[in-house]
Amino acid sequence: TQLLEQSPQFLSIQEGENLTVYCNSSSVFSSLQWYRQEPGEGPVLLVTVVTGGEVKKLKRLTFQFGDARKDSSLHITAAQPGDTGLYLCAGAPFLGNQFYFGTGTSLTVIP
Amino acid sequence: KAGVTQTPRYLIKTRGQQVTLSCSPISGHRSVSWYQQTPGQGLQFLFEYFSETQRNKGNFPGRFSGRQFSNSRSEMNVSTLELGDSALYLCASSLRSPQNTEAFFGQGTRLTVV
Repeated sequence: TQLLEQSPQFLSIQEGENLTVYCNSSSVFSSLQWYRQEPGEGPVLLVTVVTGGEVKKLKRLTFQFGDARKDSSLHITAAQPGDTGLYLCAGAPFLGNQFYFGTGTSLTVIP
Repeated sequence: KAGVTQTPRYLIKTRGQQVTLSCSPISGHRSVSWYQQTPGQGLQFLFEYFSETQRNKGNFPGRFSGRQFSNSRSEMNVSTLELGDSALYLCASSLRSPQNTEAFFGQGTRLTVV
């Protein structure tokens, strides 16, 4: 059973398009991280959101933590081929140190 | 500041053998977690070590074990390897504090069991 469900699972878009990836759960988290992973490599931390309703921007990437701290979204503006990769969300519970990872969204940006 | 280092990067083993993977966390990080990643199952939590003690454990058989040393370096051992153990094994280090819950991953060890 996955605590965190991501949608869509696969996404293929043209360079320059916008997209949004969703990370949903019925559980409440103290914080939520977003990672990007390239084939054969480890996930690289993009951002951590901590406060309910928080919005963080990283260049063309906008991350939002839901008011109830159960969900998050990642919006990419004007996608570029370099954005291609597997995007993972991970929730940190209030108790314990086990991160719960989402199912992942595989993004392909076509030049 | 050096990142998380995993060795070796690639391993090929035969069914029935055992394997030991190593992870050196970021300096100052005392928590090391291990994950198994496969195309079908995604990232699955194996266990977490903090201050040389296993603090959390995922739903994996007893063939999967680990340990942590006083310098926070961690090893993971898989005995009696099965074909299904072929995966990318990732370790992540963190400060493990209420104020900082970020985890940083190594590049992983790609294990192939033949």
